Amino acid sequence: QKEVEQDPGPLSVPEGAIVSLNCTYSNSAFQYFMWYRQYSRKGPELLMYTYSSGNKEDGRFTAQVDKSSKYISLFIRDSQPSDSATYLCAMSANAGGTSYGKLTFGQGTILTVHP
Amino acid sequence: EAGVTQSPTHLIKTRGQQATLRCSPISGHTSVYWYQQALGLGLQFLLWYDEGEERNRGNFPPRFSGRQFPNYSSELNVNALELEDSALYLCASSPGQGSSYEQYFGPGTRLTVT
Repeated sequence: QKEVEQDPGPLSVPEGAIVSLNCTYSNSAFQYFMWYRQYSRKGPELLMYTYSSGNKEDGRFTAQVDKSSKYISLFIRDSQPSDSATYLCAMSANAGGTSYGKLTFGQGTILTVHP
Repeated sequence: EAGVTQSPTHLIKTRGQQATLRCSPISGHTSVYWYQQALGLGLQFLLWYDEGEERNRGNFPPRFSGRQFPNYSSELNVNALELEDSALYLCASSPGQGSSYEQYFGPGTRLTVT
């Protein structure tokens, strides 16, 4: 079983829709939760990071973390064609463990927003 | 502010050769990370350097090695190249050990092994 599971999609939505992207994980040591966006043939771009459980909002993006369920989400409101990309969740642990410093990624969800 | 830069953009090598990839972090960042993004395998952690020291290593054979220079730039070396080493190699940087969750990626070096 992979430490981080992410539905690869692909996900296709009309412009203006609310998009929900999700990841589940199994490692209880994960404390930081990140979302990256990766356009074709480019490096991943950090969208947001969250520490422990809770919500975080940045413009049209909202990240949610539920540590009790080991489940994280990214919501995109008023989606635009420019949001079409692969979205990757990533997680990391606190200092002291063998996982410290490394990000563990999901497989990525391919999102297409059509006009 | 300039982002993470990597060179070369593309690299073509023959099986058995050695490859050297380079990375310059964001100004002020002391930590550099290397990842491999192979088709179908997702992003896999390779190495982490901070203040010139190797801090952590992923599940890769010893022929994957690297170093960090006093100016915090880094080099990834892959010896005895195999066909399955063909992938996009991504470098990331963060402000320091305590911010290892906040990694900013470069555009990558695409390595092709024939």
